[in-house]
Amino acid sequence: AQSVAQPEDQVNVAEGNPLTVKCTYSVSGNPYLFWYVQYPNRGLQFLLKYITGDNLVKGSYGFEAEFNKSQTSFHLKKPSALVSDSALYFCAVRDSMAGNQFYFGTGTSLTVIP
Amino acid sequence: GAGVSQTPSNKVTEKGKYVELRCDPISGHTALYWYRQSLGQGPEFLIYFQGTGAADDSGLPNDRFFAVRPEGSVSTLKIQRTERGDSAVYLCASSYGRSSYNEQFFGPGTRLTVL
Repeated sequence: AQSVAQPEDQVNVAEGNPLTVKCTYSVSGNPYLFWYVQYPNRGLQFLLKYITGDNLVKGSYGFEAEFNKSQTSFHLKKPSALVSDSALYFCAVRDSMAGNQFYFGTGTSLTVIP
Repeated sequence: GAGVSQTPSNKVTEKGKYVELRCDPISGHTALYWYRQSLGQGPEFLIYFQGTGAADDSGLPNDRFFAVRPEGSVSTLKIQRTERGDSAVYLCASSYGRSSYNEQFFGPGTRLTVL
């Protein structure tokens, strides 16, 4: 079965420090992996995706994520957090062997402390 | 350009009533998705359209839920005989082309409350 896990409901980090938001997945085929961010009263916004190729992908607002096949993980990272990064982050996966569904994690609330 | 829009932004209805939720995707986007998001959860897939046809409706929870996209643009999600458990935010997203890995652009959602 396909699934996504975001083990941390809440992540707090000081401004200027590096941040990591964790995501692990389970699929039958090859994973197509995505990160989205949701600001209050706004729709989900695409940050970045991994389809194939280089395991390190770079996205919007200085975010990057590393695909690790052996650990079935796709953690979101940023070298230096900003207060404006505070938001709800969702990891999503699409299974190349399982139709058109996207599976989302339960979300991680990131708070960057000034 | 204009993003994905959804109307109404809020809908309050009584148990047993019928509701329609509308999604206006980005112009030119052939793929359209409906999701349901409950409090504290991630979006849950309901249905996927490619053009006018429902290519995958495996996420619809039961036959009270139905969606259409007659002209390949605007879509309407229809819920019959609403139940309190249907209360959630209903999200619509669209993406370009037929690729299974194009990013989706989400609307702001419709918050449905069933009393």
